[in-house]
Amino acid sequence: DGGITQSPKYLFRKEGQNVTLSCEQNLNHDAMYWYRQDPGQGLRLIYYSQIVNDFQKGDIAEGYSVSREKKESFPLTVTSAQKNPTAFYLCASSKVVSGQETQYFGPGTRLLVL
Amino acid sequence: GNSVTQMEGPVTLSEEAFLTINCTYTATGYPSLFWYVQYPGEGLQLLLKATKADDKGSNKGFEATYRKETTSFHLEKGSVQVSDSAVYFCAPRTSGGYNKLIFGAGTRLAVHP
Repeated sequence: DGGITQSPKYLFRKEGQNVTLSCEQNLNHDAMYWYRQDPGQGLRLIYYSQIVNDFQKGDIAEGYSVSREKKESFPLTVTSAQKNPTAFYLCASSKVVSGQETQYFGPGTRLLVL
Repeated sequence: GNSVTQMEGPVTLSEEAFLTINCTYTATGYPSLFWYVQYPGEGLQLLLKATKADDKGSNKGFEATYRKETTSFHLEKGSVQVSDSAVYFCAPRTSGGYNKLIFGAGTRLAVHP
């Protein structure tokens, strides 16, 4: 089955530690995205990538980094510079059909600070 | 700027009641419009979409019509079920340049038997 997978489902970070969240898709989508969701709020865009080896900052990129070395993979690193990392992180990918883009989301990773 | 406004939740309904969740937006260009649903502890699932004025998106008994004159995309369902309990997000996608989804806080729906 095609889809978007995110791992782990839960992740714990210690103070000063970098952690990496995985996002993989086998949908052959060109574009991929990372969002952050805080309790009771909507999604905010962290980074996005429209093609391999290229990515752009979203609205809240500070304290995060990404890479896009393969079409299928778009890992997100939460660095120690992110002072409030506790949140639910959602990865998405998109396809364009007849000029219209639709984003599809993974199941999410919940990051907690110890 | 680009923004979306949804009715505040929680919306609490009895099973088989009629549902309306209001959504209005401001966005540059001529946006496509999406409704996503999020069940507890899960990611977002695409519920329905509309790409031009007067289009009606529909799925699983839910409907929404793209109203350009009122910049609205209200979600409706004729008879809700307990399994519809979730958070619903209206998300316009801006056009021109990078196409970005705009999310509000969502509307929580609770359906009880």
